[in-house]
Parts: sequence; structure tokens; C-alpha cells
Amino acid sequence: DAGVIQSPRHEVTEMGQEVTLRCKPISGHDYLFWYRQTMMRGLELLIYFNNNVPIDDSGMPEDRFSAKMPNASFSTLKIQPSEPRDSAVYFCASSLGQDRGGKQYFGPGTRLTVT
Amino acid sequence: QKEVEQNSGPLSVPEGAIASLNCTYSDRGSQSFFWYRQYSGKSPELIMSIYSNGDKEDGRFTAQLNKASQYVSLLIRDSQPSDSATYLCAVNSIQGAQKLVFGQGTRLTINP
Repeated sequence: DAGVIQSPRHEVTEMGQEVTLRCKPISGHDYLFWYRQTMMRGLELLIYFNNNVPIDDSGMPEDRFSAKMPNASFSTLKIQPSEPRDSAVYFCASSLGQDRGGKQYFGPGTRLTVT
Repeated sequence: QKEVEQNSGPLSVPEGAIASLNCTYSDRGSQSFFWYRQYSGKSPELIMSIYSNGDKEDGRFTAQLNKASQYVSLLIRDSQPSDSATYLCAVNSIQGAQKLVFGQGTRLTINP
């Protein structure tokens, strides 16, 4: 079975530009998570969805960040406008939920560099 | 106090020895505990999950959970150079059971 798929794998953009990161969760998983990882702050949860509905976006740093999940097999994380401090690796993960073990499986990540 | 704490290391272990990684957590109501391995430049990979007190073994890996003391550990027997990575401890948050809170990770180096 295919794992979590993310695109692009690398993104370099200039400050002020819009950035869109994409994720396809594991088929059948009804939870989807977006994380950001930096050396300073480690792995941080930004937002998660259950059955395509955003449940907790308390980790989204500010209004420049938005996430959508239009269907069970696709989600986007958008940053507009981007800033150099947004440079990080962004991971998407999916799971079946805590009542079925809660194991989260991560995609390969998108390394974002904002210059 | 951080919700999930790990010694950042680096932890250096000779090849063939037992590597011991520790993690403490603050939420007494946490029910699910995970260890992830992350190689440099790669994504976290789930290697162990544990839900009840005691030991759980999977190959060379053993996870140990003590809810009374609020710690979870990972033992790696017969350590190999390929085990060199950062190991992340993750605990489900009682504030939002689906959320995992990750420690900062312990960098492990296995010396040939």
C-alpha cells in the first residue's frame, strides 16, 4: 500500500509569495495532521482533520496559514504571504484514530525555504 | 515543564551494546505512547507503540511503560550502526486525544 504522499518535496520561494503544500493520506485513514519541524522548536502540530473537517487549528501560527481538506484523499496547507521564518520541513501524517491505536504515519515532508 | 521530555543527547553507544532511551511525560491521563525513528533529512518512522504498563518487545526493540512514574523507555539490543538516528517519543494529549505531543528527540550514535 502507498504511504502518505506529499508534494512538492522541496520548495524555494521569495518572501511575500504564496506557497501551497499538498498531501494525500493513506487510503482509509480518517485523520490527517499537518506538522512543522524546525531545529529550534522541534515537531509542532499545526492542524488536524477528522473526516475532512478541521478539528483543532490551535497550532496554526497566524492568519497567513490556512489548510483545507476538500475530500478524503487530499489536503492542502497554504501560506500567504510567506516569510523567511516559515522556512521549515512540513510533514503530513494520517491515522485511524486513537480508538484504533492512534498510530500516525508520516509522509516524506516538504522542505520549504523562503528567501 | 514540557509535556514530553527527552534527553537530547547525543547518546553514544558501541556496536553490539544495548541503547537505552528515556522519556517522561506530564499528562497522567495519556493512554498511547509511541517511539519514532528519524534519520537525518527523513521523516519520522513509527517503530513502537505501547498502551499498557510493562514491556513490549518487537525484534531488537523493547518499549517499557510505567504510568505511575510517567515514563516510557526504548531499549535497542545488539545496536547496529544503522540504528544511528534521532528517536522521538510521542504521547497522546488528553486535551485532544487524537493529538500527539512529541519530545525534542534523542540523537543516538552507534559506534562501530
